[in-house]
Amino acid sequence: DAGVIQSPRHEVTEMGQEVTLRCKPISGHNSLFWYRQTMMRGLELLIYFNNNVPIDDSGMPEDRFSAKMPNASFSTLKIQPSEPRDSAVYFCASSTKRTGVDEQYFGPGTRLTVT
Amino acid sequence: SQKIEQNSEALNIQEGKTATLTCNYTNYSPAYLQWYRQDPGRGPVFLLLIRENEKEKRKERLKVTFDTTLKQSLFHITASQPADSATYLCALDPGGSYIPTFGRGTSLIVHP
Repeated sequence: DAGVIQSPRHEVTEMGQEVTLRCKPISGHNSLFWYRQTMMRGLELLIYFNNNVPIDDSGMPEDRFSAKMPNASFSTLKIQPSEPRDSAVYFCASSTKRTGVDEQYFGPGTRLTVT
Repeated sequence: SQKIEQNSEALNIQEGKTATLTCNYTNYSPAYLQWYRQDPGRGPVFLLLIRENEKEKRKERLKVTFDTTLKQSLFHITASQPADSATYLCALDPGGSYIPTFGRGTSLIVHP
């Protein structure tokens, strides 16, 4: 298995532009998680899905952020409009357990820079 | 809310020694605690999970302890190698949701 796949690996954009991050979870995993990692705040959970349904989006910082999971093999995280404070590494992770209590498999991350 | 504390200062040790990393938490005891390894430019990789009714868990050169009285987990790497150099994150159940909350991580540097 290729593991969790994320694209793009790096994204540089200007403030105000729309950014879309993509994730393909491991086949057969039914839970998907989006995280953001910064030096200041560490690794923060943004949203997680179970069986393609958003279960908890309380970590989404504001309405500029939205996430979708149209099917079991694809998810997107969109930021519109982007701001410099959104600069971070965004990770997608998947798990076989609904609750995530077993191990999560992380993708390589997308490094986002908003200028 | 649950707070997780990991030493922000890097831990420097000599090859062959045992590295010990600490994860402290406040408030209630979590149902489980996990340890992950993260290398620069990569996502975290799961290492071990220990549940609240377990005192200790081992995997090869790794050992994790869980002391619910002290509200602390210790992560040990015996016979450390330069390849063990990485950032180690602890993650725990913040209470009821079973979705882990991550600590900020501690950097380990093993010198040859």
